[in-house]
Amino acid sequence: QVQLQESGPGLVKTSLTLSLTCTVSGGSISTDSYYWNWIRQHPGKGLEWIGFINYFGNNYYNPSLRSRVLMSVDTSKNQFSLRLTSMTAADTAVYYCARLVMFRGAPRGMDVWGRGTTVSVSS
Amino acid sequence: DFQVTQSPSSLSASVGDRVTISCRTSQNIITFLNWYQEKPGKAPKLLIYAASTLQTGVPPRFSGSGSGTDFTLTISNLQPEDFATYYCQQTHSPPWMFGPGTKVEVK
Repeated sequence: QVQLQESGPGLVKTSLTLSLTCTVSGGSISTDSYYWNWIRQHPGKGLEWIGFINYFGNNYYNPSLRSRVLMSVDTSKNQFSLRLTSMTAADTAVYYCARLVMFRGAPRGMDVWGRGTTVSVSS
Repeated sequence: DFQVTQSPSSLSASVGDRVTISCRTSQNIITFLNWYQEKPGKAPKLLIYAASTLQTGVPPRFSGSGSGTDFTLTISNLQPEDFATYYCQQTHSPPWMFGPGTKVEVK
C-alpha cells in the first residue's frame, strides 16, 4: 500500500526559502502512471494546488506561485521535493503531497495523500 | 485559467437526507472532474474521478454526474460520517484548480 510522508521545517523565517520533501513508500516513484503533486491549505481556507512533477522531471506550477516555486524528483530516494522562495506570512499553511493517477495519458484524481505538514512563517 | 465554483458554500442536513452539491467550471472540461471529502485535521480523500466513477472503497451512496461545465455530487441517505467539506477539482488542463468547497453541517 503506497504511502506518502511530508517532511521539512515547521517554522520558516520571513523572506527565506521553504524546502519540503515527500517520501513515497510501498511503491515506486519512477512510473508514468502517476504525477506527484503539492497542495496547500491556508488556515480555515480551501485547497490550493501548487503544482506537479513527474518522474522524468516534467512539471507545471500554479501561475500564482510560479515565480517562487521549484519542484524536483529524486528517483534514487523515491522522493520529490518542493522549494518555495521569499516566504511571507501569507505562505503559512498546511502543505500536502499527493499522487495523481494518470490513465492512458489522462489525469484522474489524487488518490493517495500525505498527512500534511504545518508550515508557519514568522519574522 | 479555469474558474471553478461550487454551490452552496455550506448546507445543513440531517442523517438520512439526500444532499446535492454543484460544481461549475468556466470552460468545457468534458468529464475531467474529481470530488474529494475533507474532515478536520485529515488529508482530503478522493471520492469520485472522471465526474462519475466511484473511487475504490467509497460507499455507493456517493455519486457524481455531469459533463462540460456543470457537475453534481449527490450523497443519498446521508450518514453521520459524511458531515465534512467537499471539494471539486478540474484536471482537464493545468492549473488543476479546486473549487472553494462546500461544508455539509448537521441540521
